[in-house]
Amino acid sequence: GAGVSQSPSNKVTEKGKDVELRCDPISGHTALYWYRQSLGQGLEFLIYFQGNSAPDKSGLPSDRFSAERTGGSVSTLTIQRTQQEDSAVYLCASSRVAGGSRETQYFGPGTRLLVL
Amino acid sequence: LAKTTQPISMDSYEGQEVNITCSHNNIATNDYITWYQQFPSQGPRFIIQGYKTKVTNEVASLFIPADRKSSTLSLPRVSLSDTAVYYCLGRGGANNLFFGTGTRLTVIP
Repeated sequence: GAGVSQSPSNKVTEKGKDVELRCDPISGHTALYWYRQSLGQGLEFLIYFQGNSAPDKSGLPSDRFSAERTGGSVSTLTIQRTQQEDSAVYLCASSRVAGGSRETQYFGPGTRLLVL
Repeated sequence: LAKTTQPISMDSYEGQEVNITCSHNNIATNDYITWYQQFPSQGPRFIIQGYKTKVTNEVASLFIPADRKSSTLSLPRVSLSDTAVYYCLGRGGANNLFFGTGTRLTVIP
């Protein structure tokens, strides 16, 4: 596709349920990033992938959060036993490679998660 | 970590030039300085990047002094559509970027 796509665009779930968020990066981009943005706040880094590997998982807030990437393309962020504090916009970005400060990251529109 | 510091918010009238300064005291020698823009309900988007001196594109200019410990994003003649949050990026780790809380620019008619 032309840009990064994410699905669903909105998700409402009940506390304790599991949710899966999907990201489809720009074709050919080997690096993929997940961020979380709470209302009125900046972006909080969660995890990034280079290919199918996740060299840096340091931002995952707890062991309820996990992510995978298969085929060097689509990634899924899973939140188990959701809590109300998980409510936020989850943003995905991709770049040609994981090149640190020089590589431009292209963002998707985000998934708005609301945990009731 | 190479955190960044920038004003939380700024207001400007339409047609004025806006300058947003970011402090990045711990910038690494090989780091580039990058600014992103985020509109409400959208993901951030890249606007400009530089290493030193001055960079200009169709959207903005970026001024970087010789010591590279700060940078200034300059938006010429802002319009209402420039109302957004502007992020100066630092390095959060080997390959991830630190966005911080950004500067919320409000353009007033």
